[in-house]
Amino acid sequence: GNSVTQMEGPVTLSEEAFLTINCTYTATGYPSLFWYVQYPGEGLQLLLKATKADDKGSNKGFEATYRKETTSFHLEKGSVQVSDSAVYFCALSGANSKLTFGKGITLSVRP
Amino acid sequence: DAGITQSPRHKVTETGTPVTLRCHQTENHRYMYWYRQDPGHGLRLIHYSYGVKDTDKGEVSDGYSVSRSKTEDFLLTLESATSSQTSVYFCAISESQASYSGNTIYFGEGSWLTVV
Repeated sequence: GNSVTQMEGPVTLSEEAFLTINCTYTATGYPSLFWYVQYPGEGLQLLLKATKADDKGSNKGFEATYRKETTSFHLEKGSVQVSDSAVYFCALSGANSKLTFGKGITLSVRP
Repeated sequence: DAGITQSPRHKVTETGTPVTLRCHQTENHRYMYWYRQDPGHGLRLIHYSYGVKDTDKGEVSDGYSVSRSKTEDFLLTLESATSSQTSVYFCAISESQASYSGNTIYFGEGSWLTVV
């Protein structure tokens, strides 16, 4: 079956630091890959997505590239802000758009 | 923001009682989903619907049932609540073409359920 593995957290960074959150997946067929973000007390918001190999998703300074050869979709941002503090989920979409999520990682950015 | 409303947003109930959570959408999307979120597990799919009266099980469906009598409403029922069902429940919707995995899935604000 499908599965998503995210790096262990939590992660604490200083403002303007570089961010990488690792995500690898196992899937049959040709899934689409997603990063969702969850702010405290809220639902999940789509951050970015990629629907085929070598696609790069980007939004709000975040980027992730769909790497089929390494089955990865790592999230990066060049300079994080305090407002980026949240929980980040990597996910893949299979049949009927059912999502399989990683466990999530909490990011805290200190001023 | 996608038009998704979940109710109730917070509920405390006793073990053994039935509980129904409601998801209402104003987007006329075909697909609707119920997920639960637990620490260390991320989100896991409980049930989903691909049309009125068309539903199917997800990864963690035991102890839950669903119904969809109208496009806009998707109900999740805990038939006899247990403490292991204490969780945050999220409804999601997608306009979805079944053969395309890249459809965006939109999430509601969540329903916090505590079973005591």
